Amino acid sequence: QVHLVQSGAEVKEPGASVKVSCRTSGYTFTTYAIHWVRQAPGQSFEWLAWINTGNGNTKYSQKLQGRVTVARDTSAKTVYMELISLRSEDTAVYYCSREVGESGQFDYWGQGTLVTVSS
Amino acid sequence: QSVLTQPPSVSAAPGQKVTISCSGSSSNIGNYYVSWYQQLPGTAPKLLIYDNNKRPSGIPDRFSGSKSGTSATLGVTGLQAGDEADYYCGTWDSSLSVGVFGGGTKLTVL
Repeated sequence: QVHLVQSGAEVKEPGASVKVSCRTSGYTFTTYAIHWVRQAPGQSFEWLAWINTGNGNTKYSQKLQGRVTVARDTSAKTVYMELISLRSEDTAVYYCSREVGESGQFDYWGQGTLVTVSS
Repeated sequence: QSVLTQPPSVSAAPGQKVTISCSGSSSNIGNYYVSWYQQLPGTAPKLLIYDNNKRPSGIPDRFSGSKSGTSATLGVTGLQAGDEADYYCGTWDSSLSVGVFGGGTKLTVL
């Protein structure tokens, strides 16, 4: 059974950084890309980044370029998303999701990690 | 402001049918597959439809999807109280080079 399990909620001050993990199980890790998406309170979803878990290639939202980094640990079957220079508008639930097919479609999602940025 | 446009809300009585539209452009829906997600309050999204009209294992055939040109539609028949949720469409956008989503539609079962 496929599972994506994310790390727990974080509270950070403006200017700090946060690293969220996404541990996968139940399938061959390197076969499926992992995407990161966030949802601010009461809002829709914003796509952040993508990693090819096979070769480590990444792609980032231009809006967050330079502040977000995604990496993977194939032995741990885990993907990490780090966001630096946090601002209040980064407060959101962050989700990792597994891509199915193409066109940015996601068949399995992590449970979400609430990141709160507040002084 | 979301790239894909959905109605904010739809409603219908139990047992009835409802459709939710998702409008985009040639840089997204017009050239890419569309997926649909159901999100219950406080939970992660759940994939209902992918590749415009395919249902993952375990999704009942009460849920259907279609695409025409730069628009897509989610249909839900035989409405149940448990279908009350927010529904989102999603795809890729080649101009923005990002995944894009609709603003979400709240389905109310009257």
